[in-house]
Amino acid sequence: RKEVEQDPGPFNVPEGATVAFNCTYSNSASQSFFWYRQDCRKEPKLLMSVYSSGNEDGRFTAQLNRASQYISLLIRDSKLSDSATYLCVVTRDNYGQNFVFGPGTRLSVLP
Amino acid sequence: ETGVTQSPTHLIKTRGQQVTLRCSSQSGHNTVSWYQQALGQGPQFIFQYYREEENGRGNFPPRFSGLQFPNYSSELNVNALELDDSALYLCASSTPGQGSYGYTFGSGTRLTVV
Repeated sequence: RKEVEQDPGPFNVPEGATVAFNCTYSNSASQSFFWYRQDCRKEPKLLMSVYSSGNEDGRFTAQLNRASQYISLLIRDSKLSDSATYLCVVTRDNYGQNFVFGPGTRLSVLP
Repeated sequence: ETGVTQSPTHLIKTRGQQVTLRCSSQSGHNTVSWYQQALGQGPQFIFQYYREEENGRGNFPPRFSGLQFPNYSSELNVNALELDDSALYLCASSTPGQGSYGYTFGSGTRLTVV
C-alpha cells in the first residue's frame, strides 16, 4: 500500500461545479499536511496547509481527520483556471522536512 | 528575495552517461531536497541536504548522489543513466522548523534518457 493515496481521477466538471478530492495516508506519525497544485509541465505550488480544525481560503476548503487518516479538498464554483493536478502531501517528521506526495488527481474544468 | 532556480531546464542524455543537475536555494534557506517526478506520478523523494550533509534519503540507488555547497546551492548527480531515469527533477529549499509552511520548488529540470 502506498503511503499517500488519492482519488485516481481525472475529474471533468463544468464551470461552477463543486468538486471534492479525497486523500488517505498510512503513517499515523505524519505531522503536517498540504495540498499542492501542479499545472501541466510546471513545478508544484503550495495551495494550502491543512489543519485539524479545517481551513478555508476563498473557494477552497481543506479538512483533516487524524483518526481516519483522511484529508479532503473542496473546490466551490469551479473556474477554468482551476484545471490542474492536485497533490496531497504529508510530512513524516516534526520539522516538516521530509515530504511524501500522493500521485495526484487531475481536474479539468470545462466551459 | 530570489526564488529557487534550477539548471538546465531541459536535457537529453544517452543511456549509460552521467548527468549533473544544479539548484540554487531561496535566500535564507539552508536545506535543499531533491525529488524525481515521472510522468503521471507524484514527486518521489530522492534525498535532502542540510548544511552540506545528507540528511535523509529515499529509495534510490547509490548512483544518485548529491552535494551541497557552503552557499547552500546543491547538485544532483546521476551515474550510469537508465531509460527509467527520464523524469522531471525538482529541487525545493526550506529551513528547519519552517517545513510546516511548505516547500518552495524550483521549476525543475526535465531529463530525457534515450
